Amino acid sequence: EAGVVQSPRYKIIEKKQPVAFWCNPISGHNTLYWYLQNLGQGPELLIRYENEEAVDDSQLPKDRFSAERLKGVDSTLKIQPAELGDSAVYLCASSPGTSGSTDTQYFGPGTRLTVL
Amino acid sequence: GNSVTQMEGPVTLSEEAFLTINCTYTATGYPSLFWYVQYPGEGLQLLLKATKADDKGSNKGFEATYRKETTSFHLEKGSVQVSDSAVYFCALARPSYGKLTFGQGTILTVHP
Repeated sequence: EAGVVQSPRYKIIEKKQPVAFWCNPISGHNTLYWYLQNLGQGPELLIRYENEEAVDDSQLPKDRFSAERLKGVDSTLKIQPAELGDSAVYLCASSPGTSGSTDTQYFGPGTRLTVL
Repeated sequence: GNSVTQMEGPVTLSEEAFLTINCTYTATGYPSLFWYVQYPGEGLQLLLKATKADDKGSNKGFEATYRKETTSFHLEKGSVQVSDSAVYFCALARPSYGKLTFGQGTILTVHP
């Protein structure tokens, strides 16, 4: 069974440029998460989807970040414009059940963003 | 709010040494507790979990027991190997709210 796929693995951009990250969850997983991991810290949730509905986006900086999960499968996270402080690893995870359960979350390898 | 505190790292051990990584938590209700591991160049992987008080999670020789009275979930292994070198994250999730809250991570390096 394929795991969570993310692309690109690495991205270097200049500040004020836009950037997008893509995630393909494990087949059949209803819930999809985007986490932000700063260097030396644990991941922090940005947004959580249940099928195509964003059920928790309270930690997403909506002035510059946006996300979508069309058809309840793949998801895209976008930053526009990027700032220096956005340099981090962006992790995608998925789980089989609804977000109300404590199913195991399966993580992708992440996208390491560097903003110059 | 919910929070997880892990012991400060990095931790450096010789092969076959005993490992303990401390983890304490603050949460409302009865969370589930997890240990995730991140090997160099790879994504986070679930190492073990426990969903109620006094449960013991175990995997690959690692163990952790859910202690409600001390709000702790310490990770232990009796004899570490070089291949255990990684970053270890303690995390919790409330039953009605699947979001994971992570600790800051502990870097473990095991020397031959």
